[in-house]
Amino acid sequence: QKEVEQNSGPLSVPEGAIASLNCTYSDRVSQSFFWYRQYSGKSPELIMSIYSNGDKEDGRFTAQLNKASQYVSLLIRDSQPSDSATYLCAATFNKFYFGSGTKLNVKP
Amino acid sequence: KAGVTQTPRYLIKTRGQQVTLSCSPISGHRSVSWYQQTPGQGLQFLFEYFSETQRNKGNFPGRFSGRQFSNSRSEMNVSTLELGDSALYLCASSQSGLAGGPLVETQYFGPGTRLLVL
Repeated sequence: QKEVEQNSGPLSVPEGAIASLNCTYSDRVSQSFFWYRQYSGKSPELIMSIYSNGDKEDGRFTAQLNKASQYVSLLIRDSQPSDSATYLCAATFNKFYFGSGTKLNVKP
Repeated sequence: KAGVTQTPRYLIKTRGQQVTLSCSPISGHRSVSWYQQTPGQGLQFLFEYFSETQRNKGNFPGRFSGRQFSNSRSEMNVSTLELGDSALYLCASSQSGLAGGPLVETQYFGPGTRLLVL
């Protein structure tokens, strides 16, 4: 079992909708959690970090962490075509473990 | 504050050659990690350097090596290049890195070096 698993997608949502991206992780990696966005041909850029159970909101983005169920999710409200990218989930235990990424397509 | 910089941005080499990539972290960051990203394997951790010492290492062959200088700049070297080494090589920096306590600090990525091996 991989430390961090994501559905590769693509996930398609219409403009203005809520995009929900999910990530599960193994017991080994349970310290900190991060979401990165990566546009095609570019490097990952940090969206949010979350360390404790519950929700964390930043603008249109909300990260949710549920340690009992070992999942972390990212909600993007009012999705825009510019949100179309691959979203990488990362969990840490002494180093970063990245999921393979979920490709999001936001259709105008 | 300037971000993470990587040079060169693009590189073409032939099999059997060696290559050196450079990374300058964000000012004040002492940890530098290197990753290889390919379409098939995703983002794979190579190694992490902190205060000129390799602190973590991924599952890559010994052809991949690195070092860090006293100013926190880091280089990685790949010897005897193979076709499968074609990838985007990413460097990421953080203040105290991957073993800085119970909470691992955020990493910030550079633009990457795209290596093509022919």
